[in-house]
Amino acid sequence: NAGVTQTPKFRVLKTGQSMTLLCAQDMNHEYMYWYRQDPGMGLRLIHYSVGEGTTAKGEVPDGYNVSRLKKQNFLLGLESAAPSQTSVYFCASSASGLAGQKEQYFGPGTRLTVT
Amino acid sequence: GENVEQHPSTLSVQEGDSAVIKCTYSDSASNYFPWYKQELGKRPQLIIDIRSNVGEKKDQRIAVTLNKTAKHFSLHITETQPEDSAVYFCAARSNDYKLSFGAGTTVTVRA
Repeated sequence: NAGVTQTPKFRVLKTGQSMTLLCAQDMNHEYMYWYRQDPGMGLRLIHYSVGEGTTAKGEVPDGYNVSRLKKQNFLLGLESAAPSQTSVYFCASSASGLAGQKEQYFGPGTRLTVT
Repeated sequence: GENVEQHPSTLSVQEGDSAVIKCTYSDSASNYFPWYKQELGKRPQLIIDIRSNVGEKKDQRIAVTLNKTAKHFSLHITETQPEDSAVYFCAARSNDYKLSFGAGTTVTVRA
């Protein structure tokens, strides 16, 4: 099993450009998440999905959109990149269960720089 | 929503000593508290977690304690080793889907 994978690993964008980050998981997990990680601020939730075809806003959703057309994939889009979106982006997934969410497994991250 | 505060932000310990990281949370409905370790340039990985019906949990040199009344939980690492150097994040879950993370503690183990 590959677990959680992310593409690309690195990207440099100019202000105003758009891009899509792809997250894929092969563990048949129901839940998927997108976080951003900035120095001194921990991991902040951007958007999440509790199943195929569903998405919801997290803590910092402005400037981002997401889609979950297939259970194994969760896409994060930046329509018009801004320097404030320079960050490391992590995708995560987890199974559901009677006790609620299980452990979250993280992808390797995407380092995005917006100039 | 849930607010998680984590202290200290940096911690330097001598090899073999203990390290303690403390977190507080705001939502009394939170019921799941994981700890993640992130090595430089790597992804966060779960090292231990505790649920609200348990007060303490141990796994070899790592232990977590939970005080629901005071709404705080702590990570204890005993007999620290150089490979324990990393950033540690606490988190709290207040519903079935989302985790709220602390800002992280950078632990450095001095040889």
